[in-house]
Amino acid sequence: QKEVEQDPGPLSVPEGAIVSLNCTYSNSAFQYFMWYRQYSRKGPELLMYTYSSGNKEDGRFTAQVDKSSKYISLFIRDSQPSDSATYLCAMSAAGGSYIPTFGRGTSLIVHP
Amino acid sequence: GAVVSQHPSWVICKSGTSVKIECRSLDFQATTMFWYRQFPKQSLMLMATSNEGSKATYEQGVEKDKFLINHASLTLSTLTVTSAHPEDSSFYICSAWDRLKSSYNEQFFGPGTRLTVL
Repeated sequence: QKEVEQDPGPLSVPEGAIVSLNCTYSNSAFQYFMWYRQYSRKGPELLMYTYSSGNKEDGRFTAQVDKSSKYISLFIRDSQPSDSATYLCAMSAAGGSYIPTFGRGTSLIVHP
Repeated sequence: GAVVSQHPSWVICKSGTSVKIECRSLDFQATTMFWYRQFPKQSLMLMATSNEGSKATYEQGVEKDKFLINHASLTLSTLTVTSAHPEDSSFYICSAWDRLKSSYNEQFFGPGTRLTVL
């Protein structure tokens, strides 16, 4: 079993839909949870990060962490064609010496 | 802030030649830099971790003699693909991490370098 599991998709939705992207993990030591967005042929850019459990909202994006279920989600409201990209989850243990573990990414396509 | 650049953005070379890719942190000092490889529609595969002034730590299965990494300063790391072969064709991405500033292991990624070996 991989430490981080993420469905590669692709996930295709119409413009304006609410998108739900998810990752599961097996390492209970993970404390920091991040979502990156990667456009085609570009490097990933950090969208959101969350420490431990709970929700975090930033504009149209909401990140949720459920440590009891080892499950994290990223919700995108009012999705736009410009949101079409690959979304990678990443997570790491507490402290400054742990390298994040990445999911394989979910390809999202928002069509007009 | 937290900008990372890579050069070149793309390179085509003949089989058997060596290619050097540079990764620079432009507005911060990167105590650690990472090199990733990404195949189409696949996630990031960590190749190695380099700390300034010390030897890189390579992930299992990555040939250190083929992928030479040098992290000579706090703002520059280089990856040299030696004797490149077509199977080395991939998207190479670096990231940088300021351990002193980031409390949650955030990495700042470069734009990537697409290597094509003919």
